[in-house]
Amino acid sequence: GAVVSQHPSWVICKSGTSVKIECRSLDFQATTMFWYRQFPKQSLMLMATSNEGSKATYEQGVEKDKFLINHASLTLSTLTVTSAHPEDSSFYICSARATGFMTDTQYFGPGTRLTVL
Amino acid sequence: SQKIEQNSEALNIQEGKTATLTCNYTNYSPAYLQWYRQDPGRGPVFLLLIRENEKEKRKERLKVTFDTTLKQSLFHITASQPADSATYLCAPPNAGNNRKLIWGLGTSLAVNP
Repeated sequence: GAVVSQHPSWVICKSGTSVKIECRSLDFQATTMFWYRQFPKQSLMLMATSNEGSKATYEQGVEKDKFLINHASLTLSTLTVTSAHPEDSSFYICSARATGFMTDTQYFGPGTRLTVL
Repeated sequence: SQKIEQNSEALNIQEGKTATLTCNYTNYSPAYLQWYRQDPGRGPVFLLLIRENEKEKRKERLKVTFDTTLKQSLFHITASQPADSATYLCAPPNAGNNRKLIWGLGTSLAVNP
């Protein structure tokens, strides 16, 4: 159980184009999903918290107009990198939150490698 | 500020031995702590969650301890195998917003055949 998928697994695009990444919880409903970015040899960096049916909450320093998040259903959140530039090249990972008794566990997708030329 | 620290250097052990990874946290007391495994180019995989009132938790060859006095969690892999080679991350919830997790760099484990 608790499987999260992410699509695509990798994408190469030209500078200035937009890229959409999908994150799906396959066997549970997730009212909250998270989007992370990870650069080589660095820790996971939370970009934003995606809430079903409402606006995402962005971390300080993350441009909401550049990284558009939509969480239209309990099993799907999308991240769109608008007008991508080479510095946006990174590993993007989503997670879906499953609640337990006074605990929260995040289940992660396999990640999306974005390369902007 | 809340902070976690894991073994900064990579851990190399021989196949069959027990690997022990350390996670120390400072400046707060998390109600629980989670351990994840991350392989290169992949998202983290959830392994175990241990609560503050649990001294020890086991799952197959994995064992986690949680010492709230020492502010430390230990993660053990017994009878280690080369397939256990990965980076292991401990992640307590953020005290200010417990929906978020605090992430460090993790500890890289290499199990040599």
